[in-house]
Amino acid sequence: EVLLAESGGGLVKPGGSLRLSCTGSGFTFSNAWMNWVRQTPGKGLEWVGRIKSKPDGGTIEYAAPVKDRFTVSRDDLRNTVYLQMNSLRFEDTAFYYCATGSISITGFDFWGQGTLVTVSS
Amino acid sequence: QSVLTQPPSASGTPGQRVTISCSGSSSNIGSNYVSWYQQLPGTAPKLLIYRNNQRPSGVPDRFSGSKSDTSASLAISGLRSEDEADYYCAAWDDRLSGPVFGGGTRLTVL
Repeated sequence: EVLLAESGGGLVKPGGSLRLSCTGSGFTFSNAWMNWVRQTPGKGLEWVGRIKSKPDGGTIEYAAPVKDRFTVSRDDLRNTVYLQMNSLRFEDTAFYYCATGSISITGFDFWGQGTLVTVSS
Repeated sequence: QSVLTQPPSASGTPGQRVTISCSGSSSNIGSNYVSWYQQLPGTAPKLLIYRNNQRPSGVPDRFSGSKSDTSASLAISGLRSEDEADYYCAAWDDRLSGPVFGGGTRLTVL
């Protein structure tokens, strides 16, 4: 069974930083493309960023609203993908999900349960 | 304002067939595959359809997807009460260089 578990969410002040983790099991993590998707409470979904598998080049891409503030990285030995969030803004408040796959090839085929990030003074 | 446009709500009675539309442009739906996601209340999204019309294993064949030009549709036949959820479409956008989602459609089973 594929499982993804996010952690690291919480309350942070504007301008602050937070690091989210997502640990996977039940699949070959090192071959998986890993994504971060966020959802503002009561609103829709927004893709945040992606890191390809190392065999596929390990390329990292970001959505425009988070580029230069957020960093996606992975540790395949720990089966974990990270989202380092810096210079946080009120509008970054959301549930953050990690998800496997490519939107065009497989769709986002497995999702974690999400972790809530609240940016508030 | 989402890049892909979905109706905010849809409804149907048990046993009915319901369709949810998703409208985009040449830079997303018009040139890339569409996927669909179901989000039950309080849970994470779940993949329903990928590559326009492919179902992952375990997804009932009551769910089907189609695409034409810059629009896509999700059809649910034999509607059940447990289908009451939010549904999202998604596609890669060549201009934005990333995936984009629709704003979601809340399906109510009357």
